[in-house]
Amino acid sequence: GNSVTQMEGPVTLSEEAFLTINCTYTATGYPSLFWYVQYPGEGLQLLLKATKADDKGSNKGFEATYRKETTSFHLEKGSVQVSDSAVYFCALSNYDKVIFGPGTSLSVIP
Amino acid sequence: EAGVAQSPRYKIIEKRQSVAFWCNPISGHATLYWYQQILGQGPKLLIQFQNNGVVDDSQLPKDRFSAERLKGVDSTLKIQPAKLEDSAVYLCASSLNTGAPATEAFFGQGTRLTVV
Repeated sequence: GNSVTQMEGPVTLSEEAFLTINCTYTATGYPSLFWYVQYPGEGLQLLLKATKADDKGSNKGFEATYRKETTSFHLEKGSVQVSDSAVYFCALSNYDKVIFGPGTSLSVIP
Repeated sequence: EAGVAQSPRYKIIEKRQSVAFWCNPISGHATLYWYQQILGQGPKLLIQFQNNGVVDDSQLPKDRFSAERLKGVDSTLKIQPAKLEDSAVYLCASSLNTGAPATEAFFGQGTRLTVV
C-alpha cells in the first residue's frame, strides 16, 4: 500500500538556521510527492511538489528532491525565518489518492 | 479562481448530537475529498468522490458518518451521533481528475469540531 513517514517533531530552530525535515514513502508505481504547510489557524497549502524521480521542487526558499532509490523527499531550507513556523506535511499522490504523513511542527525563534 | 469553501468554520456540540459540514469545491474539479485531522496528526482520508460516485470510503465510520455529493458538485459530511473522539478538524479538498499520477489537492480552511 501507500504510506508516508516523517521525522517526529516538534523541531525548534533559531532564525537563520538550516532546516531539514526527513520524509520517506512507500508506494506502488510512480507517485508524485508533495510538501504541504499549515500555518496556525489556517488550512493546508501546497508548498512544493515533484512528479518524477530526480525532480527538485522549490518554493519560498524551500527545496526537496524526489529520490526514488532511497524513496525519500526530504525538505530543506538554508535559512529559516520566524514566519516559517508551521506544521509541514509530506504527502504522496498515486492516481488521485492523496496520502499524508503525520506532520512535523517547526518553531523558529528569533 | 475561487478556492474550496467550507462551512461552518467552528462547531461545538454535545456528544450524541448530530452535525453536518458543507463543502463547495473549486469549479471543474471532479474529485472531492473529506479528511479528518485530529490534533497533532496528519489528515486521514474519510471519503473520496469522483463526480458524484464514491471512490474510497474504507476509513469512514459508516455507523455514524455519512457523506453525499449531490450533482457532482457540493458535498455534505454528517455525523450522527457524535462521540467525544470525533473532535477534530474536518478538511475538504478537491482536485482535477486528469487520470495522471500527479494530483494536487486544494484544501479549504476546514471546520473545527469540538464534541463536549
